[in-house]
Amino acid sequence: GDSVTQMEGPVTLSEEAFLTINCTYTATGYPSLFWYVQYPGEGLQLLLKATKADDKGSNKGFEATYRKETTSFHLEKGSVQVSDSAVYFCALSDSYSGGSNYKLTFGKGTLLTVNP
Amino acid sequence: KAGVTQTPRYLIKTRGQQVTLSCSPISGHRSVSWYQQTPGQGLQFLFEYFSETQRNKGNFPGRFSGRQFSNSRSEMNVSTLELGDSALYLCASSLTGEGTDTQYFGPGTRLTVL
Repeated sequence: GDSVTQMEGPVTLSEEAFLTINCTYTATGYPSLFWYVQYPGEGLQLLLKATKADDKGSNKGFEATYRKETTSFHLEKGSVQVSDSAVYFCALSDSYSGGSNYKLTFGKGTLLTVNP
Repeated sequence: KAGVTQTPRYLIKTRGQQVTLSCSPISGHRSVSWYQQTPGQGLQFLFEYFSETQRNKGNFPGRFSGRQFSNSRSEMNVSTLELGDSALYLCASSLTGEGTDTQYFGPGTRLTVL
């Protein structure tokens, strides 16, 4: 079955540091890839997505590139802020799953704390 | 456009009781999915509904059930509650219910079973 593996952290950085959160996946089909963020006491918010190989998703300074050859979708940001402190989830869905297999498969989540 | 709403936000129940959670998707969205989030197991898929039909179900016991109404609103029910059912239950909606589509999440219902 499908699975997502991401570094579990926690990750603690100083403001303006460079962020990388690794995510690799296993999929039987052709997946779409997502990064979601969860702030304390809230639901999940979509951060970015990519639906085919070599696509780069980007939003709010965060970027991730769909690498089919390494089955990876690593999240990066050049300069983190205190407000980026949250839990980050990597997820996939089978791109051709409209129907009986439509669902998101998540990694375990990575807690990021950014100190001023 | 209003986001996904879930009611109630918090619930406290005792073992053996049953509970119903409600989800209103984004207007126009036809697919509604439910997920359970716990510290130990992370985010796990419960089930997905599209046009009032359950299309997919995760690996949960039959005590977990759901339905979707003609206006796409959805409910999930958990009967004979167990301590291990304590979790954040998240609802997500998507426009097309296709694999490339984005699922938008509500704030969740925090269920505590005593």
